[in-house]
Amino acid sequence: QKEVEQNSGPLSVPEGAIASLNCTYSDRVSQSFFWYRQYSGKSPELIMSIYSNGDKEDGRFTAQLNKASQYVSLLIRDSQPSDSATYLCAVRGTGRRALTFGSGTRLQVQP
Amino acid sequence: DTGVSQDPRHKITKRGQNVTFRCDPISEHNRLYWYRQTLGQGPEFLTYFQNEAQLEKSRLLSDRFSAERPKGSFSTLEIQRTEQGDSAMYLCASSLSVVATNEKLFFGSGTQLSVL
Repeated sequence: QKEVEQNSGPLSVPEGAIASLNCTYSDRVSQSFFWYRQYSGKSPELIMSIYSNGDKEDGRFTAQLNKASQYVSLLIRDSQPSDSATYLCAVRGTGRRALTFGSGTRLQVQP
Repeated sequence: DTGVSQDPRHKITKRGQNVTFRCDPISEHNRLYWYRQTLGQGPEFLTYFQNEAQLEKSRLLSDRFSAERPKGSFSTLEIQRTEQGDSAMYLCASSLSVVATNEKLFFGSGTQLSVL
């Protein structure tokens, strides 16, 4: 079992729709969760962090965390073609500083 | 520019040659991380430093790989006797060490290595 799992996609949504990206992790006591956006040929860019159960909103982005289910998600409202990218889920496990990344979900927003 | 800087952006080398990459972190950041990313995969952790001390190395990091961070500022990653399997994007990230939970990593643009 991979430590951090994501559906590779592509996830295709029409412009203006809500994109929902999901991630599961294996370390039950992980503390910190991050979403990075990566455009093709570019480096990962941090877009959201979440540490507690529930929702955290930042503009069009909402991160959701459910530690009991070991599940973290990212919602992107009013999706734009410029949101088309790979979204990486990253988890910090207990006693570690380094982040463990999933393989990413490719999002395509259709104009 | 106050972001993480990596040099070179691209490196093409022949199998068996040695290569060295440089990373300059964000100036006030005391932690520096090296990751490797291949096509279709997420970044894989290699090693990290707090100031000049190398605190963790991944099992992925073979003896051919060595990293340094003299004086706790810039870092270098050297790969000796390169193999075709070393072809990847090498990413550097830095952070300001706070409570572990809240520590956020910021990535540089990466060095794309191609081993022929």
